Amino acid sequence: SAVISQKPSRDICQRGTSLTIQCQVDSQVTMMFWYRQQPGQSLTLIATANQGSEATYESGFVIDKFPISRPNLTFSTLTVSNMSPEDSSIYLCSAGYRGSYNEQFFGPGTRLTVL
Amino acid sequence: AQSVTQPDIHITVSEGASLELRCNYSYGATPYLFWYVQSPGQGLQLLLKYFSGDTLVQGIKGFEAEFKRSQSSFNLRKPSVHWSDAAEYFCALSDSGGSNYKLTFGKGTLLTVNP
Repeated sequence: SAVISQKPSRDICQRGTSLTIQCQVDSQVTMMFWYRQQPGQSLTLIATANQGSEATYESGFVIDKFPISRPNLTFSTLTVSNMSPEDSSIYLCSAGYRGSYNEQFFGPGTRLTVL
Repeated sequence: AQSVTQPDIHITVSEGASLELRCNYSYGATPYLFWYVQSPGQGLQLLLKYFSGDTLVQGIKGFEAEFKRSQSSFNLRKPSVHWSDAAEYFCALSDSGGSNYKLTFGKGTLLTVNP
């Protein structure tokens, strides 16, 4: 298994600003992902964070809006850029090991409110 | 395209009653299947998973799920619900056949437990 921490746990931001969310895993994992959970909704995958290369984004998500870094096997960041109230969501980081049947472990999430 | 359907948005049961949460999937073969639970203000915790073999899988907190290929279902059950089980439950699937490691989630079922 993997234990995942995220910072910050919550934030309130002004429209037009950016927020960077950090995700730290307690072991070297193969896979890291970022999800968005809009109020009252399910989880939607934003992107797969690739170590040492550009993230792989899902349809509807772009790098300019959600730049992602993954400098090593235990750490990743997601930036929510030029925020609007529609970006108010919970952002979750997950991690897993290749060859482990795609099981993913989730962090506690970052609750973002944009005013 | 793969998809997960959770037909019940909200279920209310009395403490001590049995529980069954439904999950149906669409996938070309046998996927990897998961049930996660999200307590209020928390991240996701993995309850159980199915990869292959025995179609009845046991998980944490007294939960079990049964994979039925003929019905494309993976329903979650618990014989006696506790008040602490009140949470949102998500069914998810992943590609078992290739290099696509991402999870596809259902919309979730909110469980309310009455005393």
